[in-house]
Amino acid sequence: RKEVEQDPGPFNVPEGATVAFNCTYSNSASQSFFWYRQDCRKEPKLLMSVYSSGNEDGRFTAQLNRASQYISLLIRDSKLSDSATYLCVVNGGSARQLTFGSGTQLTVLP
Amino acid sequence: DAEITQSPRHKITETGRQVTLACHQTWNHNNMFWYRQDLGHGLRLIHYSYGVQDTNKGEVSDGYSVSRSNTEDLPLTLESAASSQTSVYFCASSDPKMADTQYFGPGTRLTVL
Repeated sequence: RKEVEQDPGPFNVPEGATVAFNCTYSNSASQSFFWYRQDCRKEPKLLMSVYSSGNEDGRFTAQLNRASQYISLLIRDSKLSDSATYLCVVNGGSARQLTFGSGTQLTVLP
Repeated sequence: DAEITQSPRHKITETGRQVTLACHQTWNHNNMFWYRQDLGHGLRLIHYSYGVQDTNKGEVSDGYSVSRSNTEDLPLTLESAASSQTSVYFCASSDPKMADTQYFGPGTRLTVL
């Protein structure tokens, strides 16, 4: 079983739609959780951290359920520029390393 | 502005050759990492370093080596390139005080023929 699992998609949605991505992780000792965004053939960039209380950054909302070891990302009012691959990322407990999911591909259509 | 750079950006080599990929960061970060990214596997950790003279093996370290002689650079060497090492390689760095946020270089696309 992979340490971080994501639905690979692709998700094709129209502009203005709301889309949600899910991710599960296997290491119950993980302490930090993130969503990174990766545009085609470019480097991953931090989109947002994920906190137990849930957190919001504009149109993006991230939530963490530690009991179910589940992370989600909600994008409201999708824009064409949101088209990218979204990577679910988890740290390995006390380690300073990150484990990356394989990513979920999103295409926002005009 | 601080940044992290990789060179070359593209490289074609032959099986059996030694190849070195450069990574240079001006963030003054102690932590540096090398990943490879392949379809279906996501990013996988090759080697990492938490400071000068410190190096550690990651998940897929066979056939790769690194050395850390200063804070800014972590070169990745493929001792004898194999076709299975055709991939996109990303270098990253992080500040120990904010250890979980990693900043990535633009990547090196390596093809081994």
